[in-house]
Amino acid sequence: EIVLTQSPGTLSLSPGERATLSCRASQSVSSSYLAWYQQKPGQAPRLLIYGASSRATGISDRFSGSGSGTDFTLTISRLEPEDFAVYYCQQYGYSRWTFGQGTKVEIK
Amino acid sequence: EVQLVESGGGLIQPGGSLRLSCAVSGFTISSNYMNWVRQAPGKGLEWVSVIYSGGDTYYADSVKGRFTISRDISKNTLYLQMNSLRAEDTAVYYCARYVWGSRNWYFDLWGRGTLVTVSS
Repeated sequence: EIVLTQSPGTLSLSPGERATLSCRASQSVSSSYLAWYQQKPGQAPRLLIYGASSRATGISDRFSGSGSGTDFTLTISRLEPEDFAVYYCQQYGYSRWTFGQGTKVEIK
Repeated sequence: EVQLVESGGGLIQPGGSLRLSCAVSGFTISSNYMNWVRQAPGKGLEWVSVIYSGGDTYYADSVKGRFTISRDISKNTLYLQMNSLRAEDTAVYYCARYVWGSRNWYFDLWGRGTLVTVSS
């Protein structure tokens, strides 16, 4: 099973700052199967990025994804109040899906 | 309208059984990869099970042999039969669709979830 490790666990930033979230895989992951989700309290996850770098429909261009192989990054260029949430990376392989443990982006 | 609506959660004693349902509208479940994903209180997301469009099923090791995923095409509804429940199965259970789009795969639709609490 491929393990995804996200860092940091918590990111304390102010609105307007840049957020950089990391997702590292225990073995190489096809970019086609790497996605990022945002989750707010009491809500279901929402797709942000698919294919490691493509924004989902309706997602602000503040959000961008990059990376390949075992290292992937989600960047939020300028944090807006609605961006403070938990972010998960996710991959698929061999009929198994795994998620990272999440990075919480909180207001400093 | 495209939506997934879970139901069937509740409080159940350890060792008990529960069946979750996910009523789907706006698309046909038999043409899609339908999943259950759970989230323990205050924890992250954990994939539980999938049923492929062709009917093949797969499970996380943590639930294999205890949970069964199925579907009723006539009702366009997904199910998760959960037996031998343990305290560690306590979670919000989400129904989610996994799709192919723009040469990539991802979960594009999620229900709001149903809470299962396993406790005596």
